[in-house]
Amino acid sequence: GESVGLHLPTLSVQEGDNSIINCAYSNSASDYFIWYKQESGKGPQFIIDIRSNMDKRQGQRVTVLLNKTVKHLSLQIAATQPGDSAVYFCAEKYSRKLSFGAGTTVTVRA
Amino acid sequence: DTGVSQDPRHKITKRGQNVTFRCDPISEHNRLYWYRQTLGQGPEFLTYFQNEAQLEKSRLLSDRFSAERPKGSFSTLEIQRTEQGDSAMYLCASSTTSGNEQFFGPGTRLTVL
Repeated sequence: GESVGLHLPTLSVQEGDNSIINCAYSNSASDYFIWYKQESGKGPQFIIDIRSNMDKRQGQRVTVLLNKTVKHLSLQIAATQPGDSAVYFCAEKYSRKLSFGAGTTVTVRA
Repeated sequence: DTGVSQDPRHKITKRGQNVTFRCDPISEHNRLYWYRQTLGQGPEFLTYFQNEAQLEKSRLLSDRFSAERPKGSFSTLEIQRTEQGDSAMYLCASSTTSGNEQFFGPGTRLTVL
């Protein structure tokens, strides 16, 4: 069978290494997915999005992968920096509203 | 700053009091959303507006909660007879009609004593 990354509530990463954050979504009819970054005391900030008809999208230092077969999303951050320390949420969009997954707290070690 | 703004940023109130929060969306956005976020959790959808019309409300939005967007611009969220369980961060977001991306404000953190 296909291996799917496990969602972890926390992730500690050495500065300069790559990070992989996993998320499972629930609604197979969701047509759009977003990764948000939330720093303490702030609202969620858009990182990258992907439509359901795609399986990969790349941004600046970030890549999102979508596996619809197992309803799984991942966010890859290249060369993780101290400023990447935050809580990361995936969100699925269905019928105009967003449903958020459980967050992953990323801590970058110097 | 032309992003989504919310006021106040923090509110401390006693149980049983009424509170009202305000959200000013990005000016050209005609959709406005309210979410609630408790500690350690992702935001949960409460309600959304298309211009001045409130089109959907979550079952999380009890009768003590009411939201308005009278002129299709700013919105208010009122909580009557607050309870300790209402303590949370209340987030507002906005988007265009055709856009998928929702832009979030900084939130209003409510503490009910």
